[in-house]
Amino acid sequence: DAGITQSPRHKVTETGTPVTLRCHQTENHRYMYWYRQDPGHGLRLIHYSYGVKDTDKGEVSDGYSVSRSKTEDFLLTLESATSSQTSVYFCAITSAHNEQFFGPGTRLTVL
Amino acid sequence: SQQGEEDPQALSIQEGENATMNCSYKTSINNLQWYRQNSGRGLVHLILIRSNEREKHSGRLRVTLDTSKKSSSLLITASRAADTASYFCATVLDRGSTLGRLYFGRGTQLTVWP
Repeated sequence: DAGITQSPRHKVTETGTPVTLRCHQTENHRYMYWYRQDPGHGLRLIHYSYGVKDTDKGEVSDGYSVSRSKTEDFLLTLESATSSQTSVYFCAITSAHNEQFFGPGTRLTVL
Repeated sequence: SQQGEEDPQALSIQEGENATMNCSYKTSINNLQWYRQNSGRGLVHLILIRSNEREKHSGRLRVTLDTSKKSSSLLITASRAADTASYFCATVLDRGSTLGRLYFGRGTQLTVWP
């Protein structure tokens, strides 16, 4: 599992509330990613990070922000959750051999 | 549109048979990676093949890459019921892309019957 954990693993929230998902890695990987997985769309990149305080947008970044103040933690924030953000969220890292490993996922439901 | 597309979308076989899944992509790649995902679970990395490689093996898995046809195949030999899962290919583009980001297809759903 490349030492990747995600929290929470499940969350139910209401429209308009802020939500923060956490990705934690223990192996000092430089590159970290947030994807979402939806039926019929596969996995799509939300944001990524190439170092502490270095982040950039992916293809579906609207409504999301990220922060990386420490190498081991990559946070994804939904400032004001909407029903369209109901999804499964995966964090990933790229290893030294360019393999990308994924965390266990967070299932988010926005009511 | 998706960079990678798997074919077939669904595959149903008996235990002991071989399963072959194909992946096509549109632009030059640095590498291609295959993943397995059991229902409701996370993605498990199976194998990475680089653009200058043609074939790789890992246990019962065999992956081929044909860059001239922009396609890859995943062969699972002597399949087992436990191989039942969705299989995804994902590509890292050769240039001009977000650092290391993967472009995923929609996956092949493999069902192996006992």
